[in-house]
Amino acid sequence: GAVVSQHPSWVICKSGTSVKIECRSLDFQATTMFWYRQFPKQSLMLMATSNEGSKATYEQGVEKDKFLINHASLTLSTLTVTSAHPEDSSFYICSGNNEQFFGPGTRLTVL
Amino acid sequence: GQNIDQPTEMTATEGAIVQINCTYQTSGFNGLFWYQQHAGEAPTFLSYNVLDGLEEKGRFSSFLSRSKGYSYLLLKELQMKDSASYLCAVRAGGGNKLTFGTGTQLKVEL
Repeated sequence: GAVVSQHPSWVICKSGTSVKIECRSLDFQATTMFWYRQFPKQSLMLMATSNEGSKATYEQGVEKDKFLINHASLTLSTLTVTSAHPEDSSFYICSGNNEQFFGPGTRLTVL
Repeated sequence: GQNIDQPTEMTATEGAIVQINCTYQTSGFNGLFWYQQHAGEAPTFLSYNVLDGLEEKGRFSSFLSRSKGYSYLLLKELQMKDSASYLCAVRAGGGNKLTFGTGTQLKVEL
């Protein structure tokens, strides 16, 4: 089956710093990748749709200048949380262009 | 927008059968998914329905009625490891975007 990996699996950073999260499709090409976040005891919320070779499409309420998405190749999308604050602490999960396969998630804690 | 409703919590006994319901209101319906999510982990795909009827896969089955905006996930022969959150998600409109329900936390007891 299609495998999606994420790196890092967890990260702790200081408030005001930026954090980059990578999402890779290991055995398939993903023209589209989806980025979700999940706050404790809540469900997944779609943040943005990452399109290879073009700009990402952000959901309402998600700041595109704060959550930078780059999808430069068919196997890699990155999400950079810029100037992170404690309220950005969450579980960030990506999926490839197939809803069956999610990455293992990245737990971000901002101190 | 889309509205997806699931019970917040359910409790069942090991070896029993449990049915988790999901109702939705959406336009441009294009499929309904069920996922299992253990604490601290990403969701794992369980089933997909796009046409009315029952899809069976081992101990898990999923049913869809598009006219009623209703689906259920049926878990048979419950095991302790089935204790998890079960997420209903709807794909609608273009772009294959998924909207998730809040999830149902299932606790399997002895």
